[in-house]
Amino acid sequence: DGGITQSPKYLFRKEGQNVTLSCEQNLNHDAMYWYRQDPGQGLRLIYYSQIVNDFQKGDIAEGYSVSREKKESFPLTVTSAQKNPTAFYLCASKMKRDPAESNQPQHFGDGTRLSIL
Amino acid sequence: AQKVTQAQTEISVVEKEDVTLDCVYETRDTTYYLFWYKQPPSGELVFLIRRNSFDEQNEISGRYSWNFQKSTSSFNFTITASQVVDSAVYFCALSEEGNTPLVFGKGTRLSVIA
Repeated sequence: DGGITQSPKYLFRKEGQNVTLSCEQNLNHDAMYWYRQDPGQGLRLIYYSQIVNDFQKGDIAEGYSVSREKKESFPLTVTSAQKNPTAFYLCASKMKRDPAESNQPQHFGDGTRLSIL
Repeated sequence: AQKVTQAQTEISVVEKEDVTLDCVYETRDTTYYLFWYKQPPSGELVFLIRRNSFDEQNEISGRYSWNFQKSTSSFNFTITASQVVDSAVYFCALSEEGNTPLVFGKGTRLSVIA
């Protein structure tokens, strides 16, 4: 089945440690996104990528890094610089069809819940 | 700048009641797209509907209906005869024309009590 796979489902980080959240999609989507969800805060954009080997910062990129070496993969690294990493992280993707790129809905993975030990 | 406001943080209704979730948006673009997503307790976001700014027709899909009014910048979502399975967090989102990511509201948590 086509879809977006996020792993792991639960992740624990120790102080000073970098951790990487995986996001893989087999939908042949061009654009991929990472969001952070905190209680009562909705979804906030961390990074997004429209094409391979290119990505842009979102609203809360500090303390995070990404790479987009393959179309189907968009891993997110939570670095030790992110002082409050406890949150639910959602990955999304969508097809990019110019010129009406904006009107495609994003498809979401099941999320990764990150906590501090 | 674009913004989405969902003023209702939490709503509780008794099963079979109708419930309306409000969404008010701000944008300077004349072309934009509005979305509703459902987030059940399992966590994933499920796409419900997309509406572009040129289409103000209301839409009905089973027990769900959407009322888009450009005059008030609102895109409200009504569930008729609510069911326990409707319990979830619902997000309204906006995307402007071009390569702009979605901007989400903070969500409304709906609890339907049997």
